Amino acid sequence: EAEVAQSPRYKITEKSQAVAFWCDPISGHATLYWYRQILGQGPELLVQFQDESVVDDSQLPKDRFSAERLKGVDSTLKIQPAELGDSAMYLCASSLSGSGGYTQYFGPGTRLTVL
Amino acid sequence: AQRVTQPEKLLSVFKGAPVELKCNYSYSGSPELFWYVQYSRQRLQLLLRHISRESIKGFTADLNKGETSFHLKKPFAQEEDSAMYYCASQGAGTYKYIFGTGTRLKVLA
Repeated sequence: EAEVAQSPRYKITEKSQAVAFWCDPISGHATLYWYRQILGQGPELLVQFQDESVVDDSQLPKDRFSAERLKGVDSTLKIQPAELGDSAMYLCASSLSGSGGYTQYFGPGTRLTVL
Repeated sequence: AQRVTQPEKLLSVFKGAPVELKCNYSYSGSPELFWYVQYSRQRLQLLLRHISRESIKGFTADLNKGETSFHLKKPFAQEEDSAMYYCASQGAGTYKYIFGTGTRLKVLA
């Protein structure tokens, strides 16, 4: 069964350093999501792609976060510079389409610790 | 603004007892509603969708538009139901997907 892949699974970095996370969605899924999940809270949408286009990045801290999905397949989320408050689980998900109530399929997540 | 509220952070029940996990939403239209579940050391995954009107693992969820609720219910809890449950909504015709803060269900032997 196809799954969403993410790497790395764990990342420890010092504040002010740059970090990058990678996500490979399920083949054929047009929509890709990046979420941040702080301990004890639900996933918070950071950015949503439909193919290679961003359709929602209203919660993305654009001064330090960037995301791309150049060929409409895999995606990279970058933080530069990392801050202590960025410590969280970063989840990637994909779905066949972005609207209409399609199921999201989640990756295992990347746990980021900023020291 | 679109919002999903799960008032209980933790719900503990005994095995065999009924379970109800509460979810309230706020949205001016008719959103799509979901319950996602995360078992220990597993990925977040869909449990059920309102649009499918299905029962999964004995769980059902009824949409009450008057109370803007989408509570998750199971008549007899099992120990393997212990997990984190998230309610989510997607505004009709929009891309916006909102998750609640989650409820941890513990089913005691």
